[in-house]
Amino acid sequence: GENVEQHPSTLSVQEGDSAVIKCTYSDSASNYFPWYKQELGKRPQLIIDIRSNVGEKKDQRIAVTLNKTAKHFSLHITETQPEDSAVYFCAASQGNFNKFYFGSGTKLNVKP
Amino acid sequence: GAVVSQHPSRVICKSGTSVKIECRSLDFQATTMFWYRQFPKQSLMLMATSNEGSKATYEQGVEKDKFLINHASLTLSTLTVTSAHPEDSSFYICSARLRPQANTEAFFGQGTRLTVV
Repeated sequence: GENVEQHPSTLSVQEGDSAVIKCTYSDSASNYFPWYKQELGKRPQLIIDIRSNVGEKKDQRIAVTLNKTAKHFSLHITETQPEDSAVYFCAASQGNFNKFYFGSGTKLNVKP
Repeated sequence: GAVVSQHPSRVICKSGTSVKIECRSLDFQATTMFWYRQFPKQSLMLMATSNEGSKATYEQGVEKDKFLINHASLTLSTLTVTSAHPEDSSFYICSARLRPQANTEAFFGQGTRLTVV
C-alpha cells in the first residue's frame, strides 16, 4: 500500500516568514495530493491540492509543488500569519473515490 | 463546499457497551465514505472504506467485527464500536468525496470524541 512520510513534525516560524512542509510517497500510481489544515478539535479543511499532471499550483500565499519522478511534494506558505498556526497534513490518493493516505502531520506555530 | 455531518460529537460509554457514530452527507450523495481514527497529536489513520449497499473494506489490522460499518443509504454511513474498551478511546472522523469523475477533495465530518470508561 501507499506510505506517505511528512517532515518536519513541528515547525516554528516568525510572522511574515515562509514555511515549507515536505512529503514523500511510495506508490507511483498515486495521482492526487491534497493538503489539509486542522485546527485543534476541528475537522480537517482542504487548503490546496495538486494532480499529477501539474508540477506547481498557487493560491495566494499558499503553493504546492510536485515532483513525480522523485515522488515528493511540498507545501509552501509565504508571509505567514498567526492564524496559519495549525496542524497540516499531506495526503496521497489514487483515482476516483480512492482512499486517502495521510502523512503524520506538521504542527506549524507562527509567532507574532 | 459540501457538508458532512457527524453525530455525536462527544460520547462517553462504559466498557463492554457498544456505541454508534453516524456520518451523513447533507447536500450530496456519497456512494463511498471513509472512516478514520486519530490519536492525540497523531495523524488520521484510515480504518475502512464504507461502500453503499455492500460490505465495507477494512484496512489491515482493523478488526471488522469490532468496528461495524453500515452504509445503508447514499447519505448515511454508521460506525459501531462494539464491546468498547478504554483503548478504543479516540477521535473518530468520517469523510466523503463529492464526484467520481475526477480526483476531488474529501470533506470531513466534525469528528466524534469517544471516551470509554
